[in-house]
Amino acid sequence: AQSVTQPDIHITVSEGASLELRCNYSYGATPYLFWYVQSPGQGLQLLLKYFSGDTLVQGIKGFEAEFKRSQSSFNLRKPSVHWSDAAEYFCAVGVYGGATNKLIFGTGTLLAVQP
Amino acid sequence: DTAVSQTPKYLVTQMGNDKSIKCEQNLGHDTMYWYKQDSKKFLKIMFSYNNKELIINETVPNRFSPKSPDKAHLNLHINSLELGDSAVYFCASSPRTSGSRSGANVLTFGAGSRLTVL
Repeated sequence: AQSVTQPDIHITVSEGASLELRCNYSYGATPYLFWYVQSPGQGLQLLLKYFSGDTLVQGIKGFEAEFKRSQSSFNLRKPSVHWSDAAEYFCAVGVYGGATNKLIFGTGTLLAVQP
Repeated sequence: DTAVSQTPKYLVTQMGNDKSIKCEQNLGHDTMYWYKQDSKKFLKIMFSYNNKELIINETVPNRFSPKSPDKAHLNLHINSLELGDSAVYFCASSPRTSGSRSGANVLTFGAGSRLTVL
């Protein structure tokens, strides 16, 4: 069965420090992978996506993610975190079944940023 | 202009009542979805519609009835509300649901509708 695991429920980093949020997926075929961010009281915003090609993908707000097939991972990184990055981050895998396309989400990682 | 808009943003109601949440998208997308986010922030798909046709119904109680009058609108009606229905409901849309994979799964989400059942 398809699934997404985000091992870290909550992470705290200092402003200016680097960040890595972990994501592991389980999917039988080549996955389509996504990272979304949810700021407090807001909807989900797409940060970046991986469909094929270069395994290092760049997104908005200075985020990047690397697809590693051998590790079934799609970790999100940022070299220097800003206070405005505090939010909930969701990794997701796109699932196809003919006409039934949907996203399966991980349980999210809550990022707190210390001044 | 908001791409995917939901109303109301907040809804507080008593058990047993019936309520609706409306969703509209102005992106020209063919496919629309309802996702439920529970108190632990877990997001799970409930329904998807493609050009007004129901495509996905993920074992949701039949008290929940989606309705799509046209491909730009997908409303969610809930009958006989229960305490466990309290959640944030997100509407989303995507370009298309079949054919090329490249655009189909890029979902645009609304801001969510927080339902509280007392």
